[in-house]
Amino acid sequence: NAGVTQTPKFRVLKTGQSMTLLCAQDMNHEYMYWYRQDPGMGLRLIHYSVGEGTTAKGEVPDGYNVSRLKKQNFLLGLESAAPSQTSVYFCASKEAVSYNEQFFGPGTRLTVL
Amino acid sequence: AQSVTQLDSQVPVFEEAPVELRCNYSSSVSVYLFWYVQYPNQGLQLLLKYLSGSTLVESINGFEAEFNKSQTSFHLRKPSVHISDTAEYFCAVSTPSGGYNKLIFGAGTRLAVHP
Repeated sequence: NAGVTQTPKFRVLKTGQSMTLLCAQDMNHEYMYWYRQDPGMGLRLIHYSVGEGTTAKGEVPDGYNVSRLKKQNFLLGLESAAPSQTSVYFCASKEAVSYNEQFFGPGTRLTVL
Repeated sequence: AQSVTQLDSQVPVFEEAPVELRCNYSSSVSVYLFWYVQYPNQGLQLLLKYLSGSTLVESINGFEAEFNKSQTSFHLRKPSVHISDTAEYFCAVSTPSGGYNKLIFGAGTRLAVHP
């Protein structure tokens, strides 16, 4: 099993450009999450999904959109990138069992100039 | 709102010395507690977790953490660290809000092990 994979690994954007980050998991997990990691702030939840076709806002959702058209994929979109969105983005997935842990992807490093 | 505080942003230590990474959380309800480790340029990996039962939990690589309900703490310890333990460590909590399916992370503690 590949676990949780993220595409791309690195990306540089100019302010105002758009892009989509792809997260894929092969563990048949119900829950999927997008986080951003910034120095000194830990991981903050952007959006999450409790199943195919459903999404919900997390702690810092502004400027991002998500879609979960297939159970194994969770897409994070930036419609108009801003320098404040420079960060490392992590995707995670989890079984629909309360005590199970989240499994994380390797991350995408995004720089917005 | 629940929060997680990691009291040290950086902990330098010499190889084979003991180390303690401190974590406190704020919650008045039952919680699940986790420690994740992030090696350089990698994603997060679960180190250990506390769900219920024995308050002392151990990982396969020699780390242990003790749940202290009265002090709302979940400190991580290792009696003798190795160079390979150099990483960032994150404490996280999940609560009944959201069915224990969302994590709240601390800011992280960067452990630097020196020879």
